Amino acid sequence: EPEVTQTPSHQVTQMGQEVILRCVPISNHLYFYWYRQILGQKVEFLVSFYNNEISEKSEIFDDQFSVERPDGSNFTLKIRSTKLEDSAMYFCASTPRTGGQETQYFGPGTRLLVL
Amino acid sequence: ILNVEQSPQSLHVQEGDSTNFTCSFPSSNFYALHWYRWETAKSPEALFVMTLNGDEKKKGRISATLNTKEGYSYLYIKGSQPEDSATYLCAFDSNYQLIWGAGTKLIIKP
Repeated sequence: EPEVTQTPSHQVTQMGQEVILRCVPISNHLYFYWYRQILGQKVEFLVSFYNNEISEKSEIFDDQFSVERPDGSNFTLKIRSTKLEDSAMYFCASTPRTGGQETQYFGPGTRLLVL
Repeated sequence: ILNVEQSPQSLHVQEGDSTNFTCSFPSSNFYALHWYRWETAKSPEALFVMTLNGDEKKKGRISATLNTKEGYSYLYIKGSQPEDSATYLCAFDSNYQLIWGAGTKLIIKP
């Protein structure tokens, strides 16, 4: 069964460094999402992406964040200058069709630790 | 600010017993309510997408109901098994993003 994959599973970085989190969505899916979960808190929406541009983004998704689909398979989240508070589990998800009411298929997450 | 609440936060259930837990969500601007099952170190697994008031969906021993007018959904597990141990998350679908509850952590005692 097709699945969303994410790499790396864990990443440790120094404050101020750039990180790129990678996701490979399910191949025929068109909508892509990033979420994060800070330890002990709720999962939070970051951004949705369709047709090579951002569809929606939350207040969390400030200028430090960017997303890209550099080729036909990868979907990346870049954090330009990491802060301690960026430490979280980051999840990628994808859906085959537009908009709400669609099941979002999630990857296993990347645990980011900023020191 | 849209808020989704789940209760209880955690639940210990004896193997073989049935259980249920609750998700409360805003009753306006409703598109759908999602239930996910999440085991540590694995991907959250979609259980149900519920869209219509009065909906009831079933997947094996797990079922869910939806009341959009009062803003709640129940998840039921019949005859709990050890493999049901996981965190169960609900998410309010506001069309382009999911707004999540904090989850109910279910532990099945053999």
